[in-house]
Amino acid sequence: SQQGEEDPQALSIQEGENATMNCSYKTSINNLQWYRQNSGRGLVHLILIRSNEREKHSGRLRVTLDTSKKSSSLLITASRAADTASYFCATDGRGSTLGRLYFGRGTQLTVWP
Amino acid sequence: EAGVVQSPRYKIIEKKQPVAFWCNPISGHNTLYWYLQNLGQGPELLIRYENEEAVDDSQLPKDRFSAERLKGVDSTLKIQPAELGDSAVYLCASSPGGTGWETQYFGPGTRLLVL
Repeated sequence: SQQGEEDPQALSIQEGENATMNCSYKTSINNLQWYRQNSGRGLVHLILIRSNEREKHSGRLRVTLDTSKKSSSLLITASRAADTASYFCATDGRGSTLGRLYFGRGTQLTVWP
Repeated sequence: EAGVVQSPRYKIIEKKQPVAFWCNPISGHNTLYWYLQNLGQGPELLIRYENEEAVDDSQLPKDRFSAERLKGVDSTLKIQPAELGDSAVYLCASSPGGTGWETQYFGPGTRLLVL
């Protein structure tokens, strides 16, 4: 399967702490994306990192990509209760499946006030 | 700008009944996706449209699922007949052509319960 797999499956922290989630995948990629899903809602795009990039920042988010290890990490700094959600990594398809996203099972993040 | 709109938000039906979901993508977005999301899982692609053409439908169970995107805008996903295992959230997403085409914008989903 080309799916990314997030680790840990669940993460519980206090407000103000940093949260780190990891994603591993199996095949070569053009890019990797992270999405957030609040309970009962659709997914929201957070950040995209291309295969030739190693690190990317967006506000309190920092994403790293290591193509040699086929892994990525998402760091949320100074977390807030509003960051409570499921976080998914998504890898892109190639060739005949270009345009298709492959999602992992997600990491459920709970941030306690 | 308005986001992706889906209806209904919730649907409860008995098995063997038909059901249809509707999606209106973000204005100007040429690509439309239907995903299935089971509880505790990430979304899985069912079908992808480029304008009115289905360009990736290899994961759509065609014996009971069908989809259409008339005029390349709105789309409908149908299940007939529904089975108990079809209980899930059905997500619609869209993406623009050109720059930023890789990013997908999701609707809130339709939560289906088959009894």
